[in-house]
Amino acid sequence: DQQVKQNSPSLSVQEGRISILNCDYTNSMFDYFLWYKKYPAEGPTFLISISSIKDKNEDGRFTVFLNKSAKHLSLHIVPSQPGDSAVYFCAASAGVRSNTGKLIFGQGTTLQVKP
Amino acid sequence: GAGVSQSPSNKVTEKGKDVELRCDPISGHTALYWYRQSLGQGLEFLIYFQGNSAPDKSGLPSDRFSAERTGGSVSTLTIQRTQQEDSAVYLCASSPDRRGNEQFFGPGTRLTVL
Repeated sequence: DQQVKQNSPSLSVQEGRISILNCDYTNSMFDYFLWYKKYPAEGPTFLISISSIKDKNEDGRFTVFLNKSAKHLSLHIVPSQPGDSAVYFCAASAGVRSNTGKLIFGQGTTLQVKP
Repeated sequence: GAGVSQSPSNKVTEKGKDVELRCDPISGHTALYWYRQSLGQGLEFLIYFQGNSAPDKSGLPSDRFSAERTGGSVSTLTIQRTQQEDSAVYLCASSPDRRGNEQFFGPGTRLTVL
């Protein structure tokens, strides 16, 4: 049972344009969501997060939007740069309800930003 | 170093052998997690440590998998009688708080079982 889904395995955008990565979840107990970025042969690195009490969080070129009623979140990267090319993972946790903080990850979306 | 380190970076073993994977978390981080990533899949939770105890082992796939943590620091993941389906990248993460929302990952150990 895939509780966090990233339905697009890959995405290709032109440098300078917007990249939109999508993520859906099924468990209504999730209240904290994160995006991680992963380069080959490296561990994932934290990018941005959002609590369920918010619907938007922005950090520089990166913005995460949360639609709780649709159980959907998205990551917007504007403007996209070639160095953004990587695999992006969406993750969710039960946050304050959880005693462990374990993260449930989606399958990842490979983003390619073309110069 | 300041980050999470893991060793070895690569491990090739024969089916049926035992392997040990090591994780050195960021100093002072009380929470430690093991995940694995199989080819083309997302990261799958294995086990969570708070200090030296493991209150959540729910992700361990079978009793061939075990893990321990000593001194509130280093952790070892052991896989006994390895099978080909155990082939994956095993990732360790640490966090400064028990909720674990900010998890810092190591580079992983790529395990190949022939």
